[in-house]
Amino acid sequence: AQSVAQPEDQVNVAEGNPLTVKCTYSVSGNPYLFWYVQYPNRGLQFLLKYITGDNLVKGSYGFEAEFNKSQTSFHLKKPSALVSDSALYFCAARDSGYALNFGKGTSLLVTP
Amino acid sequence: EPEVTQTPSHQVTQMGQEVILRCVPISNHLYFYWYRQILGQKVEFLVSFYNNEISEKSEIFDDQFSVERPDGSNFTLKIRSTKLEDSAMYFCASSPIAGSTDTQYFGPGTRLTVL
Repeated sequence: AQSVAQPEDQVNVAEGNPLTVKCTYSVSGNPYLFWYVQYPNRGLQFLLKYITGDNLVKGSYGFEAEFNKSQTSFHLKKPSALVSDSALYFCAARDSGYALNFGKGTSLLVTP
Repeated sequence: EPEVTQTPSHQVTQMGQEVILRCVPISNHLYFYWYRQILGQKVEFLVSFYNNEISEKSEIFDDQFSVERPDGSNFTLKIRSTKLEDSAMYFCASSPIAGSTDTQYFGPGTRLTVL
């Protein structure tokens, strides 16, 4: 069975500082990993995904994520946070099926 | 940019009533999905649908639930007899093709409140 863990309920960062939102996974086969963001009263917006190839994946809005197979992690990063990045971030994984298995989400708060 | 749309944005119903949640997937997409998010909990997979058939479903998707693509554009989720615990945000998603690597694009959700 696959599972996704986001160990932090909330991450607080000052604007302009780098941010990291953590995600670890447990998938039986090859992991396909995704990050989504949810703004208040909005749906889930796709940020980026790792399928294969380079461990550093670049996505929308300046976000990137690093796949680390040995640590089974897929942390989301951004070099310089913006107040507008404040939102709920979800990590998700798939193996061979159709279903996305989501983590519980991490609330990111970027303060001015 | 094409988007998945969902109607209504908020649905209030009495326990035991039937509800139909509607979704219009992105037009050239072939795979469709429903997920739900109970308040304060994580997003959970319900069902995937391709070529007018269910391709995968979770344990949550019991006989009270059904999905249909009644025409070329709409994709619906029906809950036959709603329970209090069905109160949640329901998200529709679509993807262009099959496969684990494919990106699913989500709609804004329908908030279902069962009284």
